[in-house]
Amino acid sequence: EVQLVESGGGLVQPGGSLRLSCAASGFSLSTYNMNWVRQAPGKGLEWVSYITSSGYPIYYADSVKGRFTISRDNAKNSLYLQMNSLRVEDTAVYYCARGLPYCGGDCYDSWGQGTLVTVSS
Amino acid sequence: EFVLTQSPGTLSLSPGERATLSCRASQRVSSNYLAWYRQKPGQAPRLLIYGASSRAADIPDRFSGSGSGTDFTLTISRLEPEDFAVYYCQQYLTSPYTFGQGTKLEIK
Repeated sequence: EVQLVESGGGLVQPGGSLRLSCAASGFSLSTYNMNWVRQAPGKGLEWVSYITSSGYPIYYADSVKGRFTISRDNAKNSLYLQMNSLRVEDTAVYYCARGLPYCGGDCYDSWGQGTLVTVSS
Repeated sequence: EFVLTQSPGTLSLSPGERATLSCRASQRVSSNYLAWYRQKPGQAPRLLIYGASSRAADIPDRFSGSGSGTDFTLTISRLEPEDFAVYYCQQYLTSPYTFGQGTKLEIK
């Protein structure tokens, strides 16, 4: 069974940092493009970042560019999101999502349950 | 940046009825790089349709997608109780891979 499990969320002050992890099981992460998508409380979905199966290229939403870094460790079957200089508006549930090859990896056929990041003083 | 506008914002229907959801793009979505997702309360989204009209794995045939260019439609032929949720369209032609604001399908 394909499974994605996020961890690392929590409460952090503005300007702080967090590192999210996404552990994959039931498939080999190395053959898939992966993404982070977030959802602020009561709001819609916002794509955050994308990384190909090989690790390049990488894309970011303008709202996080220069502050967030996506990475992957295929040997550990894991995806990461390093979040620095966090802002109140980064408060959201963060989902990792697997790219469907039929979409070129850019639509998402499996999602984790999400991890909540709260940025507040 | 692509802007996707979904309508209506809220749709009130009864189980067994037909639902038609719309997604309009600010630019042409070539090669029909458009997907639809359903999100039930407290759950992660689930992929329903990709390529504008291809059903994802294990999605029942009461879900169908259509459209091209800038106008796309998700149709649910006979609503089941589990279909009352929020639906999002997404373009994946160009980064940033934007989502629409969502349509809430509620029980009438």
